[in-house]
Amino acid sequence: NAGVTQTPKFQVLKTGQSMTLQCAQDMNHEYMSWYRQDPGMGLRLIHYSVGAGITDQGEVPNGYNVSRSTTEDFPLRLLSAAPSQTSVYFCASSLRTGANVLTFGAGSRLTVL
Amino acid sequence: AQSVTQLDSQVPVFEEAPVELRCNYSSSVSVYLFWYVQYPNQGLQLLLKYLSGSTLVESINGFEAEFNKSQTSFHLRKPSVHISDTAEYFCAVSSSASKIIFGSGTRLSIRP
Repeated sequence: NAGVTQTPKFQVLKTGQSMTLQCAQDMNHEYMSWYRQDPGMGLRLIHYSVGAGITDQGEVPNGYNVSRSTTEDFPLRLLSAAPSQTSVYFCASSLRTGANVLTFGAGSRLTVL
Repeated sequence: AQSVTQLDSQVPVFEEAPVELRCNYSSSVSVYLFWYVQYPNQGLQLLLKYLSGSTLVESINGFEAEFNKSQTSFHLRKPSVHISDTAEYFCAVSSSASKIIFGSGTRLSIRP
């Protein structure tokens, strides 16, 4: 039982490049989400999904796309990276929303030059 | 819309002293409240949660939090901290069938 797996752990991009952060969970969780963590800003919700085929925007969605074609996977796409997207990204999942506890991935540190 | 405010970005305390980390929330519906902890160079893990019932909830390592509906607060307390409690603490709020929102975090530093 691997939990929530994020790849890559580290990535350096140049401004304008695109990339995808991968997130996979093997717990049959319906709810999946992406957060970014910046000093003094806490965790800010980027996008979330309450089930396969359903996604919605969080607090800071601009510059990011997501899709949820399967229950297990929830990739986060940066279409044209900007220095403001330099951050640590966390994927998290739970059985459902509301009362359920989030299980976090180990994080992905992204630097955009 | 829901929101969470953590009033202190940093809290320095001496070892064995008591500590309180403050959290206030806003929501128009019934909420579930959580405290998560992030130890240095690690991911986030659940510390404790309030779902319903008793307004005082406890963790296995001596922290407790009290849900106060009238004050819309969920402050975290520990009567005597240890060096190992050094971490960043995040308050979070959700309601049924909705997203989970975190506060800006409070960095707890323990002085010997």
